[in-house]
Amino acid sequence: EDKVVQSPLSLVVHEGDTVTLNCSYEVTNFRSLLWYKQEKKAPTFLFMLTSSGIEKKSGRLSSILDKKELFSILNITATQTGDSAIYLCAGGGNTPLVFGKGTRLSVIA
Amino acid sequence: NAGVMQNPRHLVRRRGQEARLRCSPMKGHSHVYWYRQLPEEGLKFMVYLQKENIIDESGMPKERFSAEFPKEGPSILRIQQVVRGDSAAYFCASSSRTRSSRRYYEQYFGPGTRLTVT
Repeated sequence: EDKVVQSPLSLVVHEGDTVTLNCSYEVTNFRSLLWYKQEKKAPTFLFMLTSSGIEKKSGRLSSILDKKELFSILNITATQTGDSAIYLCAGGGNTPLVFGKGTRLSVIA
Repeated sequence: NAGVMQNPRHLVRRRGQEARLRCSPMKGHSHVYWYRQLPEEGLKFMVYLQKENIIDESGMPKERFSAEFPKEGPSILRIQQVVRGDSAAYFCASSSRTRSSRRYYEQYFGPGTRLTVT
């Protein structure tokens, strides 16, 4: 059965810290790895990764995929309280998307 | 540019009643996906539809649940004879790409419908 595992499940940091969120996957006919940010409402699309070793960046967020080791990381530098959210990782293969349980990030001032 | 729309945002039903959840995809998107999120759980895929077709329903419970995406109007997820275990957040997502495209998985989510069964 396909699965996506995220770690840690929760994380509390101070503003200004750098965090790394982990995602490992076992997805049949894997094609894409996606990261979403979920606050109180809809998951918001962050990144889609399809190739190993190519870093994607958006402001203070960046992500990279390792298709050999079947994992991805999401980095957030200089964290702000507005980064507090649940970060979801999902793998796309035979079924549209398989999600992990998420990492709950809390950034305190 | 309207995103994915879902209504109602909150729905309360008594056990045994029917729940109807609606989803209008983003403009230009013809692929709709329904996911369910239980408390402290990740999003679980339920069904994937294109206009007038169910493409993949491998995540749908075999009984009481059905989905449609008619030629005109929103996609509807229907739950008959609801039970307490159906209480969850139901999210709809849409995309513009077919499975042959690498961007097929780039899905955009609506705000969800929170169903509470009393």
